[in-house]
Amino acid sequence: DAMVIQNPRYQVTQFGKPVTLSCSQTLNHNVMYWYQQKSSQAPKLLFHYYDKDFNNEADTPDNFQSRRPNTSFCFLDIRSPGLGDAAMYLCATSQYRTGNTEAFFGQGTRLTVV
Amino acid sequence: AQSVTQPDIHITVSEGASLELRCNYSYGATPYLFWYVQSPGQGLQLLLKYFSGDTLVQGIKGFEAEFKRSQSSFNLRKPSVHWSDAAEYFCAAYHNTNAGKSTFGDGTTLTVKP
Repeated sequence: DAMVIQNPRYQVTQFGKPVTLSCSQTLNHNVMYWYQQKSSQAPKLLFHYYDKDFNNEADTPDNFQSRRPNTSFCFLDIRSPGLGDAAMYLCATSQYRTGNTEAFFGQGTRLTVV
Repeated sequence: AQSVTQPDIHITVSEGASLELRCNYSYGATPYLFWYVQSPGQGLQLLLKYFSGDTLVQGIKGFEAEFKRSQSSFNLRKPSVHWSDAAEYFCAAYHNTNAGKSTFGDGTTLTVKP
């Protein structure tokens, strides 16, 4: 059963047109993460929510924003996508501070900017 | 700083041959360690994980990994590689600090020769 679900799997957007990627979870985890993965590179953390607390990585561009309206959902908003933002975007969740724990990843959304 | 290193960018093995992918970590304390596999255009699939206890862990698809504290290593092995194992492999560390961010190695691309 899918536990971290990302929609859509593939997204094509126009240069400069705002786009939103969606992530939902059925695990009731308190942390949700967004990673950006460019071709042949490791995933790079953009930001995460610990409950309602938003934590931005220092080098995440201002063009990237996130919302977490409730425990289950988290959105990645790209305000003005550039060609360099084309990538796979991975959502992950974890239940922080409960012993042995790990991050659970969704299948990713591949973003194409045209 | 916390880091995960995969020394081999690209490995080619013949089908049926054995495989070892290297991973070294640098952390203040022993993190949780993971190996993921990623096929082109797909999300991350967890192969195996180490939290504590037995240092030899078994995973899916016939993979295993051995944690060696003295060497700060967590190498992935498979006794006989199948053509379907061709993919990108990522080693990752997760530590229960700072909301449990995952740190990824840069990945190793595995090519399988017929």
